[in-house]
Amino acid sequence: ETGVTQSPTHLIKTRGQQVTLRCSSQSGHNTVSWYQQALGQGPQFIFQYYREEENGRGNFPPRFSGLQFPNYSSELNVNALELDDSALYLCASSLGLAGGTSTDTQYFGPGTRLTVL
Amino acid sequence: QQQVKQSPQSLIVQKGGISIINCAYENTAFDYFPWYQQFPGKGPALLIAIRPDVSEKKEGRFTISFNKSAKQFSLHIMDSQPGDSATYFCAAGNSGGGADGLTFGKGTHLIIQP
Repeated sequence: ETGVTQSPTHLIKTRGQQVTLRCSSQSGHNTVSWYQQALGQGPQFIFQYYREEENGRGNFPPRFSGLQFPNYSSELNVNALELDDSALYLCASSLGLAGGTSTDTQYFGPGTRLTVL
Repeated sequence: QQQVKQSPQSLIVQKGGISIINCAYENTAFDYFPWYQQFPGKGPALLIAIRPDVSEKKEGRFTISFNKSAKQFSLHIMDSQPGDSATYFCAAGNSGGGADGLTFGKGTHLIIQP
């Protein structure tokens, strides 16, 4: 059984650019959640995808968007990057059920460190 | 609005001692309370989790105590070891995270001195 993997490990972008981060969920998991973790802070929920549909969203602007593919892997896209977007972006997978509930724990990947200059 | 308050921000404990980290939540709809351990440069790893139907859960040296009426829960690390030095996050969610995700505390930086 493979764990959650993310790519790339590190990324440097300039303000105004766009970025795509990738996540492969743990085997058997159909739900992917994305979190932003600023330095010295706890992770903040961005959104969740369940069976290729956005299932819930935190307090993030529309320039944060995502996709989930039939194999349950996922992408996080951020447009018009701002300096405050510099953070560790974490992907977590879990086994979700219809209606937004989950029977299983969220397992986190190692994250992608994004630096916006 | 911070819905999960975690304290202390940092903690130093001697090897063999008990480390205690506290969290309080506001949203009474939360029904799932995990603790995560994070080492520098790594993603959070699940340590232990509890649901409100029990007041305590123990796994090895790690124990969660839960007080539903006070809306508080805590992590106790018994016989703390230098390898336990990490940042610990409490979190809360609906049924394992659900569509609203997990709400995390700000973290506690724990140092175990040899």
